[in-house]
Amino acid sequence: ELKVEQNPLFLSMQEGKNYTIYCNYSTTSDRLYWYRQDPGKSLESLFVLLSNGAVKQEGRLMASLDTKARLSTLHITAAVHDLSATYFCAVDYLTDKLIFGTGTRLQVFP
Amino acid sequence: GAGVSQSPSNKVTEKGKDVELRCDPISGHTALYWYRQSLGQGLEFLIYFQGNSAPDKSGLPSDRFSAERTGGSVSTLTIQRTQQEDSAVYLCASSGPAGELFFGEGSRLTVL
Repeated sequence: ELKVEQNPLFLSMQEGKNYTIYCNYSTTSDRLYWYRQDPGKSLESLFVLLSNGAVKQEGRLMASLDTKARLSTLHITAAVHDLSATYFCAVDYLTDKLIFGTGTRLQVFP
Repeated sequence: GAGVSQSPSNKVTEKGKDVELRCDPISGHTALYWYRQSLGQGLEFLIYFQGNSAPDKSGLPSDRFSAERTGGSVSTLTIQRTQQEDSAVYLCASSGPAGELFFGEGSRLTVL
C-alpha cells in the first residue's frame, strides 16, 4: 500500500530565509500534487507535477519531482508571513485515487 | 456551480444518530472523492467515484459509513449510529482532466 511521508512535520522559520519541504512516497507514481491549507479552511491546489523532472514555480514556491527517487520537494525562497499554512503533498495511487502526506505546518515569523 | 459545494457546513449531532453530508461537485467533473480530516491531522481517504464505475470504498472505516452518487453528480455521505470518534471535517473534492483535486469547504461534524 502506498505511503506518503513528509518532513519536517512542523517548520518555524524566519522571514527572508530559505527552506525545503520533502515528500517521499513508497510506490511508483508519475503524478504528484501540492496543496496549501490555511487554518479552518479547505485545501487549495498549488502545483501539479506530471512527469519525472517536472519543476513548477509560483512566486516564492518551487516544486520538483524525481519519480526515480520517489521524492518531491517544495522549496521556499525568502519566506514571508503570508506563506504560513499547512502544506500537503498527494500522490496518485492506482488510477486517480490520491493519497495525502501527513502535512507540514509552516510558521513564518518576523 | 463554480466550485465544489458542501452542506451542511457545520453539523452537531448526538451519539447514535444518523447524519447525511452532501457534496455537489464541479460541473463536468467525473471523479468525486470524500476525505476525512480530524483536528490537526492529515487527510484520510474514504471513498472515490469515477464515472459509472463501481466506487472504490476501500477507505471507509466501518460499515456505518456509506456513500452514493446519483446521476453522476451529487454525492451523499451517510454515517449511521454516529460515534464521538466520527467527529471530524469531511471534505469532498472533484477532479479535472489532470487529476488535480478541487476541494469544497468541508462539513464539520461534531458528535456529542
